[in-house]
Amino acid sequence: DTAVSQTPKYLVTQMGNDKSIKCEQNLGHDTMYWYKQDSKKFLKIMFSYNNKELIINETVPNRFSPKSPDKAHLNLHINSLELGDSAVYFCASSPQGGWAAFFGQGTRLTVV
Amino acid sequence: AQSVTQPDIHITVSEGASLELRCNYSYGATPYLFWYVQSPGQGLQLLLKYFSGDTLVQGIKGFEAEFKRSQSSFNLRKPSVHWSDAAEYFCAVGANTGFQKLVFGTGTRLLVSP
Repeated sequence: DTAVSQTPKYLVTQMGNDKSIKCEQNLGHDTMYWYKQDSKKFLKIMFSYNNKELIINETVPNRFSPKSPDKAHLNLHINSLELGDSAVYFCASSPQGGWAAFFGQGTRLTVV
Repeated sequence: AQSVTQPDIHITVSEGASLELRCNYSYGATPYLFWYVQSPGQGLQLLLKYFSGDTLVQGIKGFEAEFKRSQSSFNLRKPSVHWSDAAEYFCAVGANTGFQKLVFGTGTRLLVSP
């Protein structure tokens, strides 16, 4: 009965590879987000989707492409991974007009 | 631009002692303010939020926070800390610039000593 679930929890991959992180929420929320937490624990929003429509794209390299097949899912695909992409990626959701109230457990991405 | 400052990187508190974590924000309009907690290896959990009204906000796990507009602060408090409160605490301001996003501070790590 996890509210916001992400898979995988850990991801280790080589530079240049392409990888995806999946996120699903069962709260019936309209808005979903991707946040990136760097090695210094700094959290910054990357994307926000509302009812499958992209509404925030915070100067993220276009190697990162979010996809929302329906309002319960927001996946993150990353092309040509770089060492600097190593971080913890959090998915979150909120009801429309709300804020990122519910976070997933995070996906720790390590690029070697 | 919106910003949040958490001046304390680490704080150590004895179990049973009181706690105050500092948060200062910069935002031109009336802010929406939040405190989140992140336990090791976990996602963020919302402790409390302030939108308007009473400036003293009660949250979960016995936490409260007070909004002080004159000081641009939203400090988090707890009267008696438990060992399980050891975690990273993040203050955030909600920026409503046509769409909603959270701007986070850099976090304060709380250590609880026996």
